[in-house]
Amino acid sequence: DVKVTQSSRYLVKRTGEKVFLECVQDMDHENMFWYRQDPGLGLRLIYFSYDVKMKEKGDIPEGYSVSREKKERFSLILESASTNQTSMYLCASSSSSRGQPQHFGDGTRLSIL
Amino acid sequence: KNEVEQSPQNLTAQEGEFITINCSYSVGISALHWLQQHPGGGIVSLFMLSSGKKKHGRLIATINIQEKHSSLHITASHPRDSAVYICAVGSSRLTFGEGTQLTVNP
Repeated sequence: DVKVTQSSRYLVKRTGEKVFLECVQDMDHENMFWYRQDPGLGLRLIYFSYDVKMKEKGDIPEGYSVSREKKERFSLILESASTNQTSMYLCASSSSSRGQPQHFGDGTRLSIL
Repeated sequence: KNEVEQSPQNLTAQEGEFITINCSYSVGISALHWLQQHPGGGIVSLFMLSSGKKKHGRLIATINIQEKHSSLHITASHPRDSAVYICAVGSSRLTFGEGTQLTVNP
């Protein structure tokens, strides 16, 4: 089974801090994704990566950056956390082969105080 | 208007009932996905389909490409089916509906 592991289930940080969310997958997937999920808005794509060192902006990239130095690891960075970034963050990965589903991590519930 | 719309937003059923969740989309798609999210956050892919019908256990997913509509059916529902069901369209990059909160009471 594919395993997508997010580094923390719950995280509390302060406004202005630099926050790192880590995601690791064990299936050699080319594609990796970062989403945030908010009530009434559903899942929204922040950034995705289709290869090492490659990244593409999603629908809501403002205030975020990403890093993919190794194929199995995709990091989301909040450069200067703000309260409106309090949310559930979900990482996913998928094969680049046609017709493959995304596999999700358990999510990180991030609170910015 | 969202590109992917689900109905209903909330659904409460009694154990054993037949359940239908609907998804309409406004863009051309390569594939449609049904996902399940249990309390606590983890999301599981249930189906990925581009035409016709797929069945897995008590779950059935159908899609009508001409009408841009998909349905997820649950037969003989059970309290363990209580979850949020999410429709999404796309191949690698997905666009998601807001989800349907299903509660099945014993």
